[in-house]
Amino acid sequence: DAKTTQPPSMDCAEGRAANLPCNHSTISGNEYVYWYRQIHSQGPQYIIHGLKNNETNEMASLIITEDRKSSTLILPHATLRDTAVYYCIVINTGRRALTFGSGTRLQVQP
Amino acid sequence: KAGVTQTPRYLIKTRGQQVTLSCSPISGHRSVSWYQQTPGQGLQFLFEYFSETQRNKGNFPGRFSGRQFSNSRSEMNVSTLELGDSALYLCASSLQGARNEQFFGPGTRLTVL
Repeated sequence: DAKTTQPPSMDCAEGRAANLPCNHSTISGNEYVYWYRQIHSQGPQYIIHGLKNNETNEMASLIITEDRKSSTLILPHATLRDTAVYYCIVINTGRRALTFGSGTRLQVQP
Repeated sequence: KAGVTQTPRYLIKTRGQQVTLSCSPISGHRSVSWYQQTPGQGLQFLFEYFSETQRNKGNFPGRFSGRQFSNSRSEMNVSTLELGDSALYLCASSLQGARNEQFFGPGTRLTVL
């Protein structure tokens, strides 16, 4: 699986958009980009995933660059409950196991 | 639809003992994966079960084992506990494994003294 690089921490004001970047420059053609988050003392929570097109669901939007070497997770209106560690992972379609890196610790400020 | 449930939520054991953790997946999900999460190592994959068969296995010693029942419920067992086994053990269920999103339970926090 391709390696991902994320900033260790970010701050965001409540109500503003949170844009979390992820670099995956070694991604291959059949690898998907997945985002999960983990709120303190809880299990990880799936957010969104994509292959090459931008995706949006009720939680977030995922923007993948045309060359697929990086992506951005967008939380359009961050709330205090969005404070969590966000993990960007790249998964080969044939691979079953998830591996999380260090992720980005997002702190939403009131 | 009920989420993934894990029991117990907290467990304290001593070295040398064994422990069994339980996971009930989301109804209809046939794939169950187990993970160990520690501050130092992050999230590490233990194994995955699908239709009562172990389909994938991580790099853990044989002291870590699991099984899945016909109703998709799964258990994992750790024998001869070591201090380093202290961790949050997470169970995740999905329809088809990592190709689809995985839904995690709250985890079992195991402390080995």
